[in-house]
Amino acid sequence: DTGVSQDPRHKITKRGQNVTFRCDPISEHNRLYWYRQTLGQGPEFLTYFQNEAQLEKSRLLSDRFSAERPKGSFSTLEIQRTEQGDSAMYLCASSSRLPGQSINEKLFFGSGTQLSVL
Amino acid sequence: QKEVEQNSGPLSVPEGAIASLNCTYSDRGSQSFFWYRQYSGKSPELIMFIYSNGDKEDGRFTAQLNKASQYVSLLIRDSQPSDSATYLCALSYGGATNKLIFGTGTLLAVQP
Repeated sequence: DTGVSQDPRHKITKRGQNVTFRCDPISEHNRLYWYRQTLGQGPEFLTYFQNEAQLEKSRLLSDRFSAERPKGSFSTLEIQRTEQGDSAMYLCASSSRLPGQSINEKLFFGSGTQLSVL
Repeated sequence: QKEVEQNSGPLSVPEGAIASLNCTYSDRGSQSFFWYRQYSGKSPELIMFIYSNGDKEDGRFTAQLNKASQYVSLLIRDSQPSDSATYLCALSYGGATNKLIFGTGTLLAVQP
């Protein structure tokens, strides 16, 4: 299966600890997104990469959050000094836009990493 | 006002009926609209997208867009218990990022 892969599936941590999540997009996809979803809410956009370049960050992404996508392949999302409010599902999605394609593109979501901060 | 508004539900319909899910949006600059299905504990899955006024049909699903009234809807014909899920409406402004803005979702329960 060559879908979007996220690791770990679940992470329990104590407040103040640092955590890092990994996302492996579909191999030919050059666009990668991170979203965060809390219970009863829709996914909220966090940040976006085209290849290795981080082109947009949401205001939701405080200084404690950092994302990277070295070499334009897998991506990592790190949260430093975690807070209880960081508890959420962190979703990664990838997509590709072909030359001449319309503005629409299909996002393929990974299964997410469920973070619980105690 | 939220960019994308949905009734959280639950919307309960009997098996075989038509389920009608609605979504309104606030920014007329929105270009494309998407419906995602999300089963409990799973990731969102794209069902339909639409960017022109009118109807777009795909199997049992029909997406409807009315830009003048700023609403988009999803009709599910012959509803099945397996359609029970949260349906997320999302929009995109296009541009370089083409990020999606999601609503809170409507929980659909199809009763056998």
